[in-house]
Amino acid sequence: GAVVSQHPSWVICKSGTSVKIECRSLDFQATTMFWYRQFPKQSLMLMATSNEGSKATYEQGVEKDKFLINHASLTLSTLTVTSAHPEDSSFYICSAGDTVRGRDTEAFFGQGTRLTVV
Amino acid sequence: GEDVEQSLFLSVREGDSSVINCTYTDSSSTYLYWYKQEPGAGLQLLTYIFSNMDMKQDQRLTVLLNKKDKHLSLRIADTQTGDSAIYFCAESRANRDDKIIFGKGTRLHILP
Repeated sequence: GAVVSQHPSWVICKSGTSVKIECRSLDFQATTMFWYRQFPKQSLMLMATSNEGSKATYEQGVEKDKFLINHASLTLSTLTVTSAHPEDSSFYICSAGDTVRGRDTEAFFGQGTRLTVV
Repeated sequence: GEDVEQSLFLSVREGDSSVINCTYTDSSSTYLYWYKQEPGAGLQLLTYIFSNMDMKQDQRLTVLLNKKDKHLSLRIADTQTGDSAIYFCAESRANRDDKIIFGKGTRLHILP
């Protein structure tokens, strides 16, 4: 089955530093990947849609200069949290669809990344 | 283990009720969710239920939770063509840092 690998699974960083999270589709190609954020005790919130070879589409209220998304290839999208603050501490998860095999409406999820900013 | 299972496909005639089922293994689940994904779009939270509830109704949607059997269902009344999508069941547990675990999704196909 389709596998999405997300790395790292857990990261602690100091305030003011930047953190990069990677999302890779291991055995399929994904034109589109989605980035979500989960606040404590709440459901997921879609942050942005990452499009291969073009700019990401951000949801309302999400700062694109703070959450940089790069989708340079059909198998890799990265989310960089710049100048992280404690309020950015959250669980971030990506999902991707298998575009080539026409399964682009199915979502395969990464394992998620727990970010703690101290 | 932490598993959420659901059937992959469901076909329903327009106007009928759709019932999408989900089972989970973690008896300590705190919240159970239903998400909808339309083609090319991200996930949309439809509804969620606390584990101490048996039922929740919201317009055409009814969620039933059988905690003993670890079974969750989503009923969509008067199914319309716009309901055609993939529906994901998910659960989270407070003492697992609220990490959400998803099922693989059920594709709902509406027949004319």
